[in-house]
Amino acid sequence: QVTLKESGPGMLQPSKTLSLTCSFSGFSLSTSGMVVSWIRQPSGKSLEWLAAIDWDGDKYYNPSLKSRLTVSKDTSNTQVFLKITSVDTADTATYYCARRNPMGITFDYWGQGVMVTVSS
Amino acid sequence: DIQMTQSPSVLSASVGDRVTLNCKASQNINKYLNWYQQKLGEAPKLLIYNTNNLQTGIPSRFSGSGSGTDYTLTISSLQPEDVATYFCFQHNSWPTFGSGTKLEIK
Repeated sequence: QVTLKESGPGMLQPSKTLSLTCSFSGFSLSTSGMVVSWIRQPSGKSLEWLAAIDWDGDKYYNPSLKSRLTVSKDTSNTQVFLKITSVDTADTATYYCARRNPMGITFDYWGQGVMVTVSS
Repeated sequence: DIQMTQSPSVLSASVGDRVTLNCKASQNINKYLNWYQQKLGEAPKLLIYNTNNLQTGIPSRFSGSGSGTDYTLTISSLQPEDVATYFCFQHNSWPTFGSGTKLEIK
């Protein structure tokens, strides 16, 4: 059974660095073709793809946010991390991680999401 | 960036109606178009991938079509549990989502 679950700080102050963790089970990120992405959604708004990391460790970033994003994975290939530097109120959103499977089906499984509020 | 425009933004229909949701890309996306359903308070759920492929476990009343820049999600007979916001998504290039269509029951 494939599951993903995001975790994060809940709230942080402007200018700080946001650190998020996606913990997953039921698949391994070491499997050829597997990709895990981060996506966010401000309340009541649409979705924005942020970053991805694949089975080979290659990383992909939304060009509009690239300078602030860092995606990484752990050596056991069961967790993916995202750091966003210099946050401001516009980064307030629910953050999701989602999988693309080796058949190329994008975002077939999602985590439940973690809400992050940036406020002083 | 490829912009994805969905219409209408809100759609109200009756149970049993045939419903069509539209998605237009700002350039050719070569059928790399997915549809997601998001119910209130939940994560998005994949319905259709690569224009017309029904994801496992999704009812057959959902179908997708399109090519080039224009794509459609059709629900053949609307059910009460279909109340949700529907997002299209392109992965031909840097991934982008549409703004969503909120589907309501009359």
